[in-house]
This record gives sequence, structure tokens and C-alpha cells, in this order.
Amino acid sequence: ETGVTQTPRHLVMGMTNKKSLKCEQHLGHNAMYWYKQSAKKPLELMFVYSLEERVENNSVPSRFSPECPNSSHLFLHLHTLQPEDSALYLCASSQETSYEQYFGPGTRLTVT
Amino acid sequence: AQSVTQLGSHVSVSEGALVLLRCNYSSSVPPYLFWYVQYPNQGLQLLLKYTSAATLVKGINGFEAEFKKSETSFHLTKPSAHMSDAAEYFCAVSVGGGRDDKIIFGKGTRLHILP
Repeated sequence: ETGVTQTPRHLVMGMTNKKSLKCEQHLGHNAMYWYKQSAKKPLELMFVYSLEERVENNSVPSRFSPECPNSSHLFLHLHTLQPEDSALYLCASSQETSYEQYFGPGTRLTVT
Repeated sequence: AQSVTQLGSHVSVSEGALVLLRCNYSSSVPPYLFWYVQYPNQGLQLLLKYTSAATLVKGINGFEAEFKKSETSFHLTKPSAHMSDAAEYFCAVSVGGGRDDKIIFGKGTRLHILP
């Protein structure tokens, strides 16, 4: 595998479910990101990890819980989501936080 | 703080015509600038980047952008549009260096190619 991979690519979950999104980067980068992309809304930065330490949390509801166990892996744990959380969730990585980011293909999440 | 503005949320051009997507930035120090492209149901792909070297930057798929400090602009161009260029394009700005710096993305411009 090369670049940034995300699994699953599609996820349908009920409001009471618990699920996790996984991101893996094979680029040797030090920073990783979660973004939310909703229809007709700008790209929303959710979380930033630099050297496995969370450096930004943009007022994201606690039903989203990130985890970065090492510099290559990033998770987004989901629980008791709302229908408005349905969106494309994008993971990205970069060498440093100000350098160009490389994106995964995204996970299309639908909350029913 | 830095910011980026993309003029026009939708742009339509005829196949074979010039593509021009506008981006203006605000930064108190020399910025790094980026253009990304996103095809439906995919992640963003880096088209090109400016990091204070040559002001005219060439990217993939025949795109290029010119950094103009006096106009605080970084417009994206392509001489001849192709149907496969239909996608959403994002301009982004960052201040280089520093662990807590980050990239700020514009709201995106959707490019439509007319046959």
C-alpha cells in the first residue's frame, strides 16, 4: 500500500451504534488530520495530531473521539451519532503541519 | 492570521477554452500556497504548490498557477479545458515552519466543463 489509506470506504450506522474509522499513512509523515466534508459546506478540520500528540481540536462534539497510537495510524471512534453527522470523513497526513497534506480517499458515513 | 478566498463557487467553461480559477490570500508573512483537486467521492489530490521559489508553478494535468505578491493572488490556469477536468478545486495557504502552523483551505470552486 502506498499513500494514505482509509477503511471502511462506506459505513452505514444507526444512532446507537459504535464504530471506528481507520486511517493509515505509508509516507513517513509526522502529522495526521481528520476532516469532515458535508454537502454544500466548506471542508471542516476536526483534529490534528503532530508527533502523536493532539495539537488541535476544533470544538468537535464528544461523540467523535480520535486516537493516534503511532505516527502511521489514526482512528476516529464514533458513538451515538446524529443524522447531521452523515458526511465524507477525510484523513490526511503531512511531514509538518504547515506542509502540503496528502489525503486518503475518505469514508462515506451515513447515520440512520 | 492567514486566510484564503476563492472567487466563485461554480465556474463553467467550454471544452478547449481557458480555465481560470481565482484565489486570493491573506498572510502577514510569506506564505506557502497550494491547489488541490477533488473528484467525486474521492480525497483531495495535490495539483501544485508554491514555496517561495519560482513564482510560476507548474503542476499535474497541465495546470499552473502564478504567485503575485502585489495582488496577493495565486490563480490557477489551464490553457485548454478537458472534460476530465470537471471537479472541485481548493486553494490553500499556510505559513511555513513551526510545529503549530497549519494549512487553511478555501471553500472550493466547482469546475463544470461544457461540451
